[in-house]
Amino acid sequence: SAVISQKPSRDICQRGTSLTIQCQVDSQVTMMFWYRQQPGQSLTLIATANQGSEATYESGFVIDKFPISRPNLTFSTLTVSNMSPEDSSIYLCSVEEAPNTIYFGEGSWLTVV
Amino acid sequence: AQSVTQPDIHITVSEGASLELRCNYSYGATPYLFWYVQSPGQGLQLLLKYFSGDTLVQGIKGFEAEFKRSQSSFNLRKPSVHWSDAAEYFCALSQGAQKLVFGQGTRLTINP
Repeated sequence: SAVISQKPSRDICQRGTSLTIQCQVDSQVTMMFWYRQQPGQSLTLIATANQGSEATYESGFVIDKFPISRPNLTFSTLTVSNMSPEDSSIYLCSVEEAPNTIYFGEGSWLTVV
Repeated sequence: AQSVTQPDIHITVSEGASLELRCNYSYGATPYLFWYVQSPGQGLQLLLKYFSGDTLVQGIKGFEAEFKRSQSSFNLRKPSVHWSDAAEYFCALSQGAQKLVFGQGTRLTINP
C-alpha cells in the first residue's frame, strides 16, 4: 500500500491560533480524505479533496474552519482555524489506493490548550 | 441511513485464546465492509475487506472475518491472540462512494 506521511505527528497549540497539517503520499492518488477522531471516539469524515477542484465537506464541517488544499496528486493540507479545546483530536489523512479501499496515515495528534 | 454498530466497547481475552469481535451494519444493499486496527499511538491499519464473493475473507496478522447477509454482520475472528493484538478495532462500511462510516470501536485487552 501507499506510504502516507503526515506532519506534524503531534502538536500542542494555543487556543485562537491555526495549525496546518500536511499529508504526503509516495504515489499519485486521485482521492484524498481527511478524518477527525475526537478523544475516545470513532472517526468522522471531514472532507474529500480531489486535485483541481474544491474540497467537498461533510455535514457539520465548513471551509472557513477547515480549509483544505490539494495542489497535486501526492499532497494535501488541512488547516484547523481559530482552534478551541474542542478541536483537540487526531486528524487523519487517507487515500483511495485500490478501488473502494482506503488507507490511512499515522495521524496528527493535536491538543489545544 | 447506513450505520455500523460494534456492540462491545471493551473485550479482554487471555493470550492464546480465540477472539471474535462483533460488527453489525445497516444498509439497503450489500456494502463494502472493512476492519481496521489502531494500535496505541498509531494510525489505522487495514486488516481485511469484503466486497463480494466468498463470505469468509482472510486478512493480515492471522485475522479473518465472515460476512453474513441474513444477520447483517461482519464479525472479526482470530483463533489465537497474541499480546501484540492489543489495540482498538474498527469496523467500517462504504457504499462505493469512498466515504467510510465507522463503528464506535472495540478496545481489545490481552491478559498474559
